[in-house]
Amino acid sequence: QKEVEQNSGPLSVPEGAIASLNCTYSDRGSQSFFWYRQYSGKSPELIMSIYSNGDKEDGRFTAQLNKASQYVSLLIRDSQPSDSATYLCAVNKNTDKLIFGTGTRLQVFP
Amino acid sequence: DAGVIQSPRHEVTEMGQEVTLRCKPISGHDYLFWYRQTMMRGLELLIYFNNNVPIDDSGMPEDRFSAKMPNASFSTLKIQPSEPRDSAVYFCASSSTSGGATDTQYFGPGTRLTVL
Repeated sequence: QKEVEQNSGPLSVPEGAIASLNCTYSDRGSQSFFWYRQYSGKSPELIMSIYSNGDKEDGRFTAQLNKASQYVSLLIRDSQPSDSATYLCAVNKNTDKLIFGTGTRLQVFP
Repeated sequence: DAGVIQSPRHEVTEMGQEVTLRCKPISGHDYLFWYRQTMMRGLELLIYFNNNVPIDDSGMPEDRFSAKMPNASFSTLKIQPSEPRDSAVYFCASSSTSGGATDTQYFGPGTRLTVL
């Protein structure tokens, strides 16, 4: 079992819709959770972090964490073609390093 | 701030040759991470340093890989001898504990390595 699992996609959504990206993790001791966005040919960039159960909103992005179910998700409202990228889920087990999932490719079509 | 700087951006070499990748972290950051990214395996942590000291090298695939950080502003990842299966994008990232956490990692542009 991988430590951090994501559906590779592609997830295709129409412009203006809500995109829902999901991630599960195996270690119950995980403390911090992150979503990175990576455009093709570019480096990952942090878009959201979440540490407590519940929702955290930042503009069009909402991160959701459920530690009991070992599940973290990212919702993108009013999806735009510019949101088309690979989204990487990362988990910190209270150490200095992050464990990344393999990413979900999102395609937003006009 | 210039961000994390990596060089070269692209490297094409032949099997058996030595390859050296370079990284300059963001000034003031005390953590430096080396990652490798492939389609099959995703983003894998190879090694990371704290205050120039290697902390965890458990991700280094084998003895052909080595990394150094002689000072706070420079690190190298060396592959000797290189093999075709080393072809990947290698990222360097840095972070700071000034805020009490090492969470946010800032990535460099990466080095795309092709070993023929």
